[in-house]
Amino acid sequence: DAGVIQSPRHEVTEMGQEVTLRCKPISGHNSLFWYRQTMMRGLELLIYFNNNVPIDDSGMPEDRFSAKMPNASFSTLKIQPSEPRDSAVYFCASSLILSHRGGTDTQYFGPGTRLTVL
Amino acid sequence: DAKTTQPNSMESNEEEPVHLPCNHSTISGTDYIHWYRQLPSQGPEYVIHGLTSNVNNRMASLAIAEDRKSSTLILHRATLRDAAVYYCILTPRKNRDDKIIFGKGTRLHILP
Repeated sequence: DAGVIQSPRHEVTEMGQEVTLRCKPISGHNSLFWYRQTMMRGLELLIYFNNNVPIDDSGMPEDRFSAKMPNASFSTLKIQPSEPRDSAVYFCASSLILSHRGGTDTQYFGPGTRLTVL
Repeated sequence: DAKTTQPNSMESNEEEPVHLPCNHSTISGTDYIHWYRQLPSQGPEYVIHGLTSNVNNRMASLAIAEDRKSSTLILHRATLRDAAVYYCILTPRKNRDDKIIFGKGTRLHILP
């Protein structure tokens, strides 16, 4: 298995521009997570999908952030408009939650997208 | 806030065992204890997890206190490649509304 795939790996953009980050989860996984990591705040959960449905988006900073999961093999995180304070590494992770057995929810992370907003 | 407490950093000599502690006094009976580590410039990777009993795998061992309020990740023979940030987190088994919080973790330095 190729693992979780994220693109692009690096993104440099100017303040005010739209940024779209992409994620392909591990085939067969039914849950997908978007995280943001900064030196100041560490690793923060932004949003979590289960079976393509957003379950918890309370970590999304503000309305400029939106996430979609149109099918089981693809998700996007969009920032519009971007601001310098959005500069961070954004990770996508996927997991197989076996709800009927409780599941251990082990998450498998992608390599991350390093976003720099100038 | 994180539901676990870990030391900010630890040091160990190469080829010696390392014991990384984690306190989780508010753990519920259905929470799993997961450990992840993050190598420089990489995403976090799974290390080990457990519920009540001690666990061993090829990477590490996990010792869980009898009252489950603390656990210890054991690297039996540290190498330079084990230098990373180690996260101890609680993952809810039943209540999917509980948020998984990573916290700051423990930065492990390995001295050659």
